[in-house]
Amino acid sequence: GAVVSQHPSRVICKSGTSVKIECRSLDFQATTMFWYRQFPKQSLMLMATSNEGSKATYEQGVEKDKFLINHASLTLSTLTVTSAHPEDSSFYICSASPTGGVLGNQPQHFGDGTRLSIL
Amino acid sequence: GQQVMQIPQYQHVQEGEDFTTYCNSSTTLSNIQWYKQRPGGHPVFLIQLVKSGEVKKQKRLTFQFGEAKKNSSLHITATQTTDVGTYFCAGSSGYSTLTFGKGTMLLVSP
Repeated sequence: GAVVSQHPSRVICKSGTSVKIECRSLDFQATTMFWYRQFPKQSLMLMATSNEGSKATYEQGVEKDKFLINHASLTLSTLTVTSAHPEDSSFYICSASPTGGVLGNQPQHFGDGTRLSIL
Repeated sequence: GQQVMQIPQYQHVQEGEDFTTYCNSSTTLSNIQWYKQRPGGHPVFLIQLVKSGEVKKQKRLTFQFGEAKKNSSLHITATQTTDVGTYFCAGSSGYSTLTFGKGTMLLVSP
């Protein structure tokens, strides 16, 4: 159980393109999902907390207009990288845990990640 | 804000040797979690510790949570090549989001 699906797994596109990444909890509902960015051989950097039915909470230094998050249902959150540039190239990964627990006290289930390459 | 520090950053061992990674928090934690990320993969949850002084074992892996709930360790006995990957600790202080350590990359040579 507790499977998180992330799509697409890899995107290569031109500078200026907007890219949408989907994160789905397949066998549980998730009021909250998390979006991370990971650079090669580095740790997970939390970008934002996605909240179902309300605005996402962004970490300091993350541009909310650049990284649009929508959490329209209890099983789907999307991250859109708008007008992507080469510096946005990275590994983006989402996570979620079943609704009902205390935030931060529940194990996170990660998607497979999306490797974004902007040319 | 909350900081979680993890050492070492990298360790290379021979198969059969032991391995330990350490995690320290700047604040008291309500729980600490450990994850493993294989090369090219995503983090996979290993275990959660919530009690002061707690010790849990998973086969060759031993996890400890400090008495003050500010530090933790993961020890692997007799490493195998399948243990290769990056091990992350992640902690939370009650209702805050999880803060991940920078991870320890383990390389095991046969």
